[in-house]
Amino acid sequence: SQTIHQWPATLVQPVGSPLSLECTVEGTSNPNLYWYRQAAGRGLQLLFYSVGIGQISSEVPQNLSASRPQDRQFILSSKKLLLSDSGFYLCAWQNNEQFFGPGTRLTVL
Amino acid sequence: QQQVKQSPQSLIVQKGGISIINCAYENTAFDYFPWYQQFPGKGPALLIAIRPDVSEKKEGRFTISFNKSAKQFSLHIMDSQPGDSATYFCAASPTSGSRLTFGEGTQLTVNP
Repeated sequence: SQTIHQWPATLVQPVGSPLSLECTVEGTSNPNLYWYRQAAGRGLQLLFYSVGIGQISSEVPQNLSASRPQDRQFILSSKKLLLSDSGFYLCAWQNNEQFFGPGTRLTVL
Repeated sequence: QQQVKQSPQSLIVQKGGISIINCAYENTAFDYFPWYQQFPGKGPALLIAIRPDVSEKKEGRFTISFNKSAKQFSLHIMDSQPGDSATYFCAASPTSGSRLTFGEGTQLTVNP
């Protein structure tokens, strides 16, 4: 069966620090991969999606970047975090249906 | 044209009642309509999905109704329980393997 992992589960970072969030998927190959951000009590904002290794589409111009170095690995990064980067970050994978990971709660102070 | 409009934003229902969440879309290319359930601090989980070749799909207490001519679809939760309290998202895409467009979500509270 397919499994999606995200880590860390929670993260508290100072403004201006770098960020690296990792997402890995098991039990499937060549999935579409997605990064979403969810502000408190709000909807799902699509940040990046990838249809294959090295193929990244950005939905919202911002302080973040994404990379897909392996078929089932998706990384979200920032060189310098802003206060507005705080939120709940969700990775998702998709072949037919889309499934979400457990999320990372990021607080930027 | 890519938007999916979801209402209401929040909903309070008594235990045993029926919860109804509505979504409307504009893009006639949309052909796949899933619903997700999200509990606080968790990722959304796929609840039920429908394609427009049927007007209704039922799984347990959860039913999707689909009106292709009106470009609307809705989630009905029968015999609502406090454990159903969560945020519900509708979504749509041209196919089941393509990028989803999500509604803004509905926060459902079922009072005991």
